[in-house]
Amino acid sequence: GAGVSQTPSNKVTEKGKYVELRCDPISGHTALYWYRQSLGQGPEFLIYFQGTGAADDSGLPNDRFFAVRPEGSVSTLKIQRTERGDSAVYLCASSFGPNSPLHFGNGTRLTVT
Amino acid sequence: KNEVEQSPQNLTAQEGEFITINCSYSVGISALHWLQQHPGGGIVSLFMLSSGKKKHGRLIATINIQEKHSSLHITASHPRDSAVYICAVRSDSNYQLIWGAGTKLIIKP
Repeated sequence: GAGVSQTPSNKVTEKGKYVELRCDPISGHTALYWYRQSLGQGPEFLIYFQGTGAADDSGLPNDRFFAVRPEGSVSTLKIQRTERGDSAVYLCASSFGPNSPLHFGNGTRLTVT
Repeated sequence: KNEVEQSPQNLTAQEGEFITINCSYSVGISALHWLQQHPGGGIVSLFMLSSGKKKHGRLIATINIQEKHSSLHITASHPRDSAVYICAVRSDSNYQLIWGAGTKLIIKP
């Protein structure tokens, strides 16, 4: 089957706009993670879902960021009132569980102008 | 001090050389991951370890739980191995991954 799919692959938006980033995990993977990676930096944890619920959202930088996974499969990361500092590659990963190998998507490169 | 330390930060070697990248951590873990990221590319999981040693092709990963240390070895290195190699540990107190800063490996032909 397909790997983790993230759409769009690239998103350019103006400061202040709202964006949604989508992650389609591998079928059957109950664990889903969102990370953010700025140029030259390692990935930064944002949020972890186990099933439909956010088991750990402590990495979300502020209340402009929100993520959902209503049916326990596809997840959407939502960013309101985007700022230039939000520009980064947003990575999604999924696994069968918290102690299983991770599978990463290719990321969405977000550029806020 | 970072909870996950990798060394070296940068490594340049000639094709065919044996490569070792080290990872030390200071927290209790349930698992350790070695990941690979090519420039501009996505992240690929190479290994997940909780004990002992794993081998996949030319790649070998070892972990010593008592010493809180892991190594990633590449035998007969090739220019296509050039990438950033990242060590990440899963804390045994929550489900977050704690990431090392990565080792940038360049293999020259």
